[in-house]
Amino acid sequence: EDKVVQSPLSLVVHEGDTVTLNCSYEVTNFRSLLWYKQEKKAPTFLFMLTSSGIEKKSGRLSSILDKKELFSILNITATQTGDSAIYLCAVAYNNNDMRFGAGTRLTVKP
Amino acid sequence: EAQVTQNPRYLITVTGKKLTVTCSQNMNHEYMSWYRQDPGLGLRQIYYSMNVEVTDKGDVPEGYKVSRKEKRNFPLILESPSPNQTSLYFCASRRQGPSYNSPLHFGNGTRLTVT
Repeated sequence: EDKVVQSPLSLVVHEGDTVTLNCSYEVTNFRSLLWYKQEKKAPTFLFMLTSSGIEKKSGRLSSILDKKELFSILNITATQTGDSAIYLCAVAYNNNDMRFGAGTRLTVKP
Repeated sequence: EAQVTQNPRYLITVTGKKLTVTCSQNMNHEYMSWYRQDPGLGLRQIYYSMNVEVTDKGDVPEGYKVSRKEKRNFPLILESPSPNQTSLYFCASRRQGPSYNSPLHFGNGTRLTVT
């Protein structure tokens, strides 16, 4: 069965800490992996990863994909309270299938 | 502004009373989809539509209906809501083509409570 597993499910850190969020997957015909940030409303797109070993970076956030070991990580450095959110991982596979993980709830305390 | 608009944001109803959640997008996207989000289960797809008059079941379609008469609108219909449909619902859209080529744009969500 196709599945996407995120860990940890919940994480509490203090401002300035660095965090690593994990996403592993088992799907047929993997195509791409996407990260979204969900604050109180709509999930917003962060990164799309299709190739192993190529880091995507946006400010303090970065992500990398390992297609051999079937996982991705999302790093956030120098966390701020505004980084508090649910981070969702989604995997696109076959032509039009997409499966989401359960999400990691990150809380950044001042 | 490019967006996906859902209404209402919050809805409390009783078992068996038919309801419709509307979804509209202004990006001319062919693909639209409905998800429900439950704690510990993530986003699960209910129905999707590849284009006008083309709809298909997702992972959890039971108890839901959809229609796609116009490109911009994709309403979600609960003919006889039950308490197990209490959830946070998201509508999303993206460009046509494979799912791996373009990210989804989400609406702000509809929190539905069925008593």
